[in-house]
Amino acid sequence: NAGVTQTPKFQVLKTGQSMTLQCAQDMNHNSMYWYRQDPGMGLRLIYYSASEGTTDKGEVPNGYNVSRLNKREFSLRLESAAPSQTSVYFCASSDLQETQYFGPGTRLLVL
Amino acid sequence: AQSVTQPDIHITVSEGASLELRCNYSYGATPYLFWYVQSPGQGLQLLLKYFSGDTLVQGIKGFEAEFKRSQSSFNLRKPSVHWSDAAEYFCAVGPFSGTYKYIFGTGTRLKVLA
Repeated sequence: NAGVTQTPKFQVLKTGQSMTLQCAQDMNHNSMYWYRQDPGMGLRLIYYSASEGTTDKGEVPNGYNVSRLNKREFSLRLESAAPSQTSVYFCASSDLQETQYFGPGTRLLVL
Repeated sequence: AQSVTQPDIHITVSEGASLELRCNYSYGATPYLFWYVQSPGQGLQLLLKYFSGDTLVQGIKGFEAEFKRSQSSFNLRKPSVHWSDAAEYFCAVGPFSGTYKYIFGTGTRLKVLA
């Protein structure tokens, strides 16, 4: 039982490059989330998926797209990376008791 | 609009001293309230949560929190801090009616002096 896994752990991109952050959970949770964490800003919700086949925007969706591939996987795509997207990205899933389980994070640097 | 405020960015306490981290929220209804802890380089882990009922909630690692509706607060406490408690602590509220969204506070970084 790995919980929530994220790949990659670290990534350096040049401005304008694209990449996809992968997230998978093995807890059979319906809801999944993508957050970004920046110093002094706490966690801000980018997108979430309440169930397989649905996605909704969070607080800071601009510049990102998501795909809920199946119940286990929820990916985040940066089509054209910008320095403002330098951040730590966390994926989470939540159970019926509303507890969120977080992955270890992806540290992204955009030059 | 919904919001969560953690007024203390940094707190330093001596090992063995008591701790209280503050959290205030703004929401029209009684929310679900959470405290999470983040150790350096790690993801967040749930410490405790409040849904309803007893307003004093016990969590893991000896932490507790009290929900005070009149003050819109959900402060985290620990009677005696250990060096291993040094971490960042986040208060969260949600999910909001009709959505699955949560809002997190900006966090309080705890430093523990030996």
